[in-house]
Amino acid sequence: NAGVTQTPKFQVLKTGQSMTLQCAQDMNHNSMYWYRQDPGMGLRLIYYSASEGTTDKGEVPNGYNVSRLNKREFSLRLESAAPSQTSVYFCASSGGDRGSPGPGSGYTFGSGTRLTVV
Amino acid sequence: AQSVSQHNHHVILSEAASLELGCNYSYGGTVNLFWYVQYPGQHLQLLLKYFSGDPLVKGIKGFEAEFIKSKFSFNLRKPSVQWSDTAEYFCAVKSYNTDKLIFGTGTRLQVFP
Repeated sequence: NAGVTQTPKFQVLKTGQSMTLQCAQDMNHNSMYWYRQDPGMGLRLIYYSASEGTTDKGEVPNGYNVSRLNKREFSLRLESAAPSQTSVYFCASSGGDRGSPGPGSGYTFGSGTRLTVV
Repeated sequence: AQSVSQHNHHVILSEAASLELGCNYSYGGTVNLFWYVQYPGQHLQLLLKYFSGDPLVKGIKGFEAEFIKSKFSFNLRKPSVQWSDTAEYFCAVKSYNTDKLIFGTGTRLQVFP
């Protein structure tokens, strides 16, 4: 089925370790996003990519890097994990229609990665 | 900067009760508005969205929301909730000329039989 695929689903890291969260979409969407979800804080945007080859910071970019490898894939990297990065991470994509109610106007989310940093 | 406020953090209802969840946003320009639902252990799913036209928007599972521009609000309603509506609900806003979706902090709804 078409959608957004995230890997891994669960991960435990030690403080200082690095890892990359992978995200791929097969809906030919232009825009992709990384959010983190924390209790009582909703979803906060980490980074986003409006199109292949471009990336921009969101609300909480510190401690993260991203790569828009191609139109399908958008990865999130933690270079030196910290306990404050314990969270559930969601990748999302959209058609990038600016203001248009077209078929790409909704956001499709992946199933999430639950990351624990100890 | 855009922001979204959801004032109800935790709502507890009995089945068949009516539901209204508040959502207010701060942005002076044209916006697109969304409500998402997250069932326990699952990812976010779109309930409904408003782009333009009729300010009363109907979504899936009997939910609806009304956009009141003068109040910067987009409240979610359902006349009669079911136990299966137990979930967390997120309001989100996107300004007309960007691709960024900004979420509220969410409202946890518990429905008891």
